[in-house]
Amino acid sequence: DADVTQTPRNRITKTGKRIMLECSQTKGHDRMYWYRQDPGLGLRLIYYSFDVKDINKGEISDGYSVSRQAQAKFSLSLESAIPNQTALYFCATSDGGTGGEKLFFGSGTQLSVL
Amino acid sequence: AQSVAQPEDQVNVAEGNPLTVKCTYSVSGNPYLFWYVQYPNRGLQFLLKYITGDNLVKGSYGFEAEFNKSQTSFHLKKPSALVSDSALYFCAVRDGSGNTGKLIFGQGTTLQVKP
Repeated sequence: DADVTQTPRNRITKTGKRIMLECSQTKGHDRMYWYRQDPGLGLRLIYYSFDVKDINKGEISDGYSVSRQAQAKFSLSLESAIPNQTALYFCATSDGGTGGEKLFFGSGTQLSVL
Repeated sequence: AQSVAQPEDQVNVAEGNPLTVKCTYSVSGNPYLFWYVQYPNRGLQFLLKYITGDNLVKGSYGFEAEFNKSQTSFHLKKPSALVSDSALYFCAVRDGSGNTGKLIFGQGTTLQVKP
């Protein structure tokens, strides 16, 4: 079983709809992240959480919200989806230990907003 | 502000030849530097990192990277490329002086290894 699981793998939605992307992990890590990947732009950080009570905005948080329901679960919501939110979304975890941030990624959710 | 640049969108090499994927960075403090690889339809996988110490870092699958402080570079290298190395490669950096835990990624370089 994957250590970092994202659901759904693919999602097509319409402009204005609210959607939620879910992430769960079995690695026991405190730190969790949401990134989006766009061709030619690499990965950009949306939100990150260092523990259940700690939520922080990343580079591009506008239009997104998150919920850290438990150490193992971190969900990303689009309150009112728009076409430029079409992208590949990745959840990642890390233990934040010494030696820097080694991230473990899920397989991604491809989101299309029509 | 932290930033990472990967100047090449794509690198093409023949199997068996050496490969280099370039990365330059900008941070205000000491850099923590990383390389990740993404195979088709997969999430990113960690390859190697530089925190401190020896400027030549060895990682997974025979890859290595050289940290050059004066040139603010962290190029990824492999002595002999394999077709299976074909993938999308990302360089990433964080500022080691703080504990924000945030990695900033470059835009990615597609490596194409031809038989």
